Amino acid sequence: TQLLEQSPQFLSIQEGENLTVYCNSSSVFSSLQWYRQEPGEGPVLLVTVVTGGEVKKLKRLTFQFGDARKDSSLHITAAQPGDTGLYLCAGAASGGSNYKLTFGKGTLLTVNP
Amino acid sequence: DVKVTQSSRYLVKRTGEKVFLECVQDMDHENMFWYRQDPGLGLRLIYFSYDVKMKEKGDIPEGYSVSREKKERFSLILESASTNQTSMYLCASTMAGGSNQPQHFGDGTRLSIL
Repeated sequence: TQLLEQSPQFLSIQEGENLTVYCNSSSVFSSLQWYRQEPGEGPVLLVTVVTGGEVKKLKRLTFQFGDARKDSSLHITAAQPGDTGLYLCAGAASGGSNYKLTFGKGTLLTVNP
Repeated sequence: DVKVTQSSRYLVKRTGEKVFLECVQDMDHENMFWYRQDPGLGLRLIYFSYDVKMKEKGDIPEGYSVSREKKERFSLILESASTNQTSMYLCASTMAGGSNQPQHFGDGTRLSIL
């Protein structure tokens, strides 16, 4: 069974601060997805990283996939209250034919004005 | 844009009742999924379907069944509801192409079993 450990579980910061969320595993994934879920809504895909070492940027959000494709990080620069939400990482099994994703337990981010 | 619609946002049922949760997607996706989401436990896969009438157990299928008679509709059935099935239920769909495909989620059904 593949597991994804997300840290921290909770994060409360002030507007303007930077933060990093980590997603780690002992397993290799063919790709890793990051989702954000706002209260009362379903998760929405932010980005998919596929290649080891890949870095993707989405405005103030920077996503990195580890060289060995076992870990990933999400860095937010100058956080804003609109970034508040539950951030989930999800790994796709290496091999590709399996339809399942392995989800981390999430990081609940609160950005205070 | 893909739209995944879950029939109810909130549902309250009694112990022992048979409960149906419905999910419809409008993008002709092959794969559909049912998850439950609980604080501290994250998203856990109950069942998924990769084609009409095809289904496969996820990580926590006990106490649940599913039905997929049409491509766009995937139903989750609680055969005899119990209080430990109180949870947020999320439906998702993806196009064919393996697990690298992004999942499109509905807004969830918050189910309370009394």
